[in-house]
Amino acid sequence: DAGVIQSPRHEVTEMGQEVTLRCKPISGHNSLFWYRQTMMRGLELLIYFNNNVPIDDSGMPEDRFSAKMPNASFSTLKIQPSEPRDSAVYFCASSLILMNTEAFFGQGTRLTVV
Amino acid sequence: DQQVKQNSPSLSVQEGRISILNCDYTNSMFDYFLWYKKYPAEGPTFLISISSIKDKNEDGRFTVFLNKSAKHLSLHIVPSQPGDSAVYFCAASAKNTGNQFYFGTGTSLTVIP
Repeated sequence: DAGVIQSPRHEVTEMGQEVTLRCKPISGHNSLFWYRQTMMRGLELLIYFNNNVPIDDSGMPEDRFSAKMPNASFSTLKIQPSEPRDSAVYFCASSLILMNTEAFFGQGTRLTVV
Repeated sequence: DQQVKQNSPSLSVQEGRISILNCDYTNSMFDYFLWYKKYPAEGPTFLISISSIKDKNEDGRFTVFLNKSAKHLSLHIVPSQPGDSAVYFCAASAKNTGNQFYFGTGTSLTVIP
């Protein structure tokens, strides 16, 4: 398997624009996570899905953020409108819904909002 | 509130010596703990884990120790190598929180040749 695939790898956008980050989890995995990496909070969980259903979105910072998982092989994280403080690296990860198992991360999307 | 804490943002160690990275947690329900390693411009990769029923798990040069009473775990790397230079994240999960992983803020390890 190619692992978790995220696109784009880099995104530069102007403040106020809509940004969509994409993720393809590992085939067969049924949990998907969106994280944001910041200096202050490390890897901050934004939202996670089990079997395509959002379980916990309490980490989503504001209503400007939304995430969807229309099927088992695709998820999006959308920010609209984007703001400079959203600039960060966003990671997607997937795992199996099993006890004592690890999550596998994609390579991340570096978002810069100017 | 940060449930998993890594209080040392950085650590420098001489090649060949032992590296010890520390992690504290607050939720006594956590029952599975993991360490991830992250190189620049890459995603975190799984390194080693430990279940709460154990107090030690070893994999080659890497050993994780768990002290449940102190809510503390540590990662020992011996001997340290320059290729170990990376950011290390501690993570934890609990059965009653589904499959959710809580991460610390990371410790940047530099191994000096």
